[in-house]
Amino acid sequence: AQTVTQSQPEMSVQEAETVTLSCTYDTSESNYYLFWYKQPPSRQMILVIRQEAYKQQNATENRFSVNFQKAAKSFSLKISDSQLGDTAMYFCAFMKSSGAGSYQLTFGKGTKLSVIP
Amino acid sequence: DTAVSQTPKYLVTQMGNDKSIKCEQNLGHDTMYWYKQDSKKFLKIMFSYNNKELIINETVPNRFSPKSPDKAHLNLHINSLELGDSAVYFCASSRTASNQPQHFGDGTRLSIL
Repeated sequence: AQTVTQSQPEMSVQEAETVTLSCTYDTSESNYYLFWYKQPPSRQMILVIRQEAYKQQNATENRFSVNFQKAAKSFSLKISDSQLGDTAMYFCAFMKSSGAGSYQLTFGKGTKLSVIP
Repeated sequence: DTAVSQTPKYLVTQMGNDKSIKCEQNLGHDTMYWYKQDSKKFLKIMFSYNNKELIINETVPNRFSPKSPDKAHLNLHINSLELGDSAVYFCASSRTASNQPQHFGDGTRLSIL
């Protein structure tokens, strides 16, 4: 079974600064996908960024980027130029095929990020 | 224009009652999921359906029964509600392709009195 560990339950960052959220995972699978989801107080689950395990290049989406270290099974999220709207719970998630077109997401316990004005 | 919609958004009911949560997606996805988020914000998969066929059925009590009348709908029926069922339930959907992310509904907060 896969496990996803987010070792930082809470973090805070000053507006406009950079913050890195850590995530490690454990799996014996060779083909899998990794995601960061954001859950603001509104409760929505919003996809932030995704990474295919077979790609060596780190994914980037505007102010969000990842540092994917496959051998170390590490998948950290960097948020640059933090904005007040980035305040949310951030979940790291691992996805693998469960067969028949279905893909199972395993989530970490989340990191609560507060952006301070 | 909501991609994945769940109803109701809030559900408050008494222990022992039976209730249903409905989910519909208009994204043309083949696979739909139910997740449970507990009071500590931990998200765990409950079920997944692909083209109306049950694929994933995690260790969920038999009181929970998903039903998929067509591939755009996945409803969750819960019998004999217990206090421990209080949680936020999320529906999600995805395309049947390896790198496609799951799109989530806004969640249904279920509170058992």
